[in-house]
Amino acid sequence: QKEVEQNSGPLSVPEGAIASLNCTYSDRGSQSFFWYRQYSGKSPELIMFIYSNGDKEDGRFTAQLNKASQYVSLLIRDSQPSDSATYLCAVKGMDSSYKLIFGSGTRLLVRP
Amino acid sequence: GAGVSQSPSNKVTEKGKDVELRCDPISGHTALYWYRQSLGQGLEFLIYFQGNSAPDKSGLPSDRFSAERTGGSVSTLTIQRTQQEDSAVYLCASSARRDRNQPQHFGDGTRLSIL
Repeated sequence: QKEVEQNSGPLSVPEGAIASLNCTYSDRGSQSFFWYRQYSGKSPELIMFIYSNGDKEDGRFTAQLNKASQYVSLLIRDSQPSDSATYLCAVKGMDSSYKLIFGSGTRLLVRP
Repeated sequence: GAGVSQSPSNKVTEKGKDVELRCDPISGHTALYWYRQSLGQGLEFLIYFQGNSAPDKSGLPSDRFSAERTGGSVSTLTIQRTQQEDSAVYLCASSARRDRNQPQHFGDGTRLSIL
């Protein structure tokens, strides 16, 4: 079992819709969770991070964390074609190394 | 302010040659990370530096890979006797250490192609 799992997609949604991206992780002791956006040929760009159970909203983005279910999601409201990219989920555990464990990413396609 | 800077942005070399990749982290960031991303894949952790502490080298794939960080700032990743499977984008990230939950900020990467 991979440590961080994401559906590779592509997830295709029409412009203006809500895109829902999901991520599960295996280490129950994981403490911090990050969503990165990566355009083709570019480096990952931090979108949001969340540490506590529940929802965290930032503009059109909402991160949701459920530690009991070992599940974190990213909702994008009013999706725009410019949101089309690969979204990487990353998890940081309790160990002292601070390294992030990345999922392989979900490709999102927003249709005009 | 300046972000994480990596050089070169692209590197093409012949199999068997050594390569050096450079990373200049965000000013004031004490933590520095190297990752590797193969085509269509997620990021693979390679090595982590934190201040003057011993680095976490647990992700280095073989003894051909090494990295150093001089003066707690600039880092170089060296790959000796390159192989075709080393072809990938090598990404560097940095973060502030004051809070262990500080997010990592990435440079634009070095695209390495081994012929």
